[in-house]
Amino acid sequence: DAGITQSPRHKVTETGTPVTLRCHQTENHRYMYWYRQDPGHGLRLIHYSYGVKDTDKGEVSDGYSVSRSKTEDFLLTLESATSSQTSVYFCATHDRTAQETQYFGPGTRLLVL
Amino acid sequence: QKEVEQNSGPLSVPEGAIASLNCTYSDRGSQSFFWYRQYSGKSPELIMSIYSNGDKEDGRFTAQLNKASQYVSLLIRDSQPSDSATYLCAVAFFGNEKLTFGTGTRLTIIP
Repeated sequence: DAGITQSPRHKVTETGTPVTLRCHQTENHRYMYWYRQDPGHGLRLIHYSYGVKDTDKGEVSDGYSVSRSKTEDFLLTLESATSSQTSVYFCATHDRTAQETQYFGPGTRLLVL
Repeated sequence: QKEVEQNSGPLSVPEGAIASLNCTYSDRGSQSFFWYRQYSGKSPELIMSIYSNGDKEDGRFTAQLNKASQYVSLLIRDSQPSDSATYLCAVAFFGNEKLTFGTGTRLTIIP
């Protein structure tokens, strides 16, 4: 394992509430990613980071923002949660110096009521 | 739009047989190809990576890549009940920074 933790692991919230998910890694990997996984859609990239304070959008970024103030932490914020954001969220990291690919955290199950 | 297609299954295979999982991709510039295994309620874990045309073997797993046909497959020999999972195909363009995933194939090994 690449030493990736996510918090919280489970969360129930109400529509319109802001929510922040945290990803923490201990591997000093440069790249970090946020995905959501939904039945029938597979894993879809929300945002990713290629360094501290350097982030970019993925294919499903609307309604989400991210921040990375330290190498080890990558935060995903739902500014105003909607029921369509109910999903399982995975964080992943990647070390470009190695030819291997991304390593995934344990995931966060989010339910928006 | 880069796309990765997989048969969603479920694919049922008797224990001890060969399971064959297939994946096609749309971007001819794709450079790197990966197979992840995901158990129910768990996160994806990498089981195979392949970068060149041909076969790559690792234990009971063989990845096959045909860039001309834009096709990558995973063979699992001597299938075990513990191989029952969803298998995700992922493709990266040069640099590996971003992966595009297929929707996954659910594999069930029947004892």
